Amino acid sequence: DAKTTQPNSMESNEEEPVHLPCNHSTISGTDYIHWYRQLPSQGPEYVIHGLTSNVNNRMASLAIAEDRKSSTLILHRATLRDAAVYYCILRGQGNLIFGKGTKLSVKP
Amino acid sequence: GAVVSQHPSWVICKSGTSVKIECRSLDFQATTMFWYRQFPKQSLMLMATSNEGSKATYEQGVEKDKFLINHASLTLSTLTVTSAHPEDSSFYICSARSPGAWREYRNEQFFGPGTRLTVL
Repeated sequence: DAKTTQPNSMESNEEEPVHLPCNHSTISGTDYIHWYRQLPSQGPEYVIHGLTSNVNNRMASLAIAEDRKSSTLILHRATLRDAAVYYCILRGQGNLIFGKGTKLSVKP
Repeated sequence: GAVVSQHPSWVICKSGTSVKIECRSLDFQATTMFWYRQFPKQSLMLMATSNEGSKATYEQGVEKDKFLINHASLTLSTLTVTSAHPEDSSFYICSARSPGAWREYRNEQFFGPGTRLTVL
């Protein structure tokens, strides 16, 4: 599975939108883009996934670049409970392999 | 999402003893389950993949005789840390893969809440 690159950390203000970027320039045609988040001392939580088209669910939106070499996870209104490490992971036929992720801090 | 439970949520044991951690998928049958380990301030590391009814596949560097995995049913996998030592102290997280077509998900992995193991 191809590698992803994410910023180590980001800050956001409560009630504002957050855009978490992920670069995956070596993505293959069959790789799905997955996002998970992990709150302190908890297991990862599934957020969203997509292949080519933008995706929306109750938690977030996923915007995928036309060339699929990057994607952005969008939290429309950040809350204090959204403070977590967000992982962008590519998965083809293999298992989920976690990188270091982006630690999101949310300020009240 | 789906619910995956782990038991116990934390355990403290003496060096040399064995500890068993259970992982259950509560609302779907999982033919494949995974075990991860996470040290403080580090990311999750995949330890092994288990398929129901067959032997687990271990990642490179993970001792299969030390970390015994049993996936005897479609909803239960267990990880036994044998002869635990202080360096085995870690956060152990299991994951279960949903069936091919289940609700709006397709082969997604859902994670348990983790088990904090401390070996004295």
